[in-house]
Amino acid sequence: AQSVTQLGSHVSVSEGALVLLRCNYSSSVPPYLFWYVQYPNQGLQLLLKYTTGATLVKGINGFEAEFKKSETSFHLTKPSAHMSDAAEYFCAVSPYNQGGKLIFGQGTELSVKP
Amino acid sequence: DAGVIQSPRHEVTEMGQEVTLRCKPISGHDYLFWYRQTMMRGLELLIYFNNNVPIDDSGMPEDRFSAKMPNASFSTLKIQPSEPRDSAVYFCASSFGSGYSKQYFGPGTRLTVL
Repeated sequence: AQSVTQLGSHVSVSEGALVLLRCNYSSSVPPYLFWYVQYPNQGLQLLLKYTTGATLVKGINGFEAEFKKSETSFHLTKPSAHMSDAAEYFCAVSPYNQGGKLIFGQGTELSVKP
Repeated sequence: DAGVIQSPRHEVTEMGQEVTLRCKPISGHDYLFWYRQTMMRGLELLIYFNNNVPIDDSGMPEDRFSAKMPNASFSTLKIQPSEPRDSAVYFCASSFGSGYSKQYFGPGTRLTVL
């Protein structure tokens, strides 16, 4: 069965610092990959997704992620953190031929210090 | 567009009672997903529909849970009888054209079973 591992349940950065949230997946066939963000007491919002093509994917709010097949990774980055980036971030995979069902990682809570 | 609408937003009930959660997907979307979020298990897909037909219900925990989608604009998730371990936030999400497309999440229903 496919799985997603997010390293670090909590990450804290200073405002203006680099944000790096790690995600690794287990799959013999590269799945579709997603990052979602959840603000307190809200549903999830899609940040970005990788299906095929360019391995560097740009999303909303200045986030981007790079698909590395050799490392089975899809880490999320943002060059400069903003206070409004504080939220929980979920990496997810969608296996081929399973209709788009999402398998989520455990989530990483991002705190941004002033 | 009003987005995905879920009701109620909060539900407190006693063990053994029947609970019905409701979801109205975004108009025109043909995929509907039900997720459950808990601290212990994270975000789990319970069931999803395509064109009102259940496609994968392998995530439904047990027979106490049932889901229906009588038409394109309405779905219910029912728990009967409810148990304290069912306490969680239940999210509904919808997407258009493919399950791999962006999923739009509702605000969730926070269920507490006493």
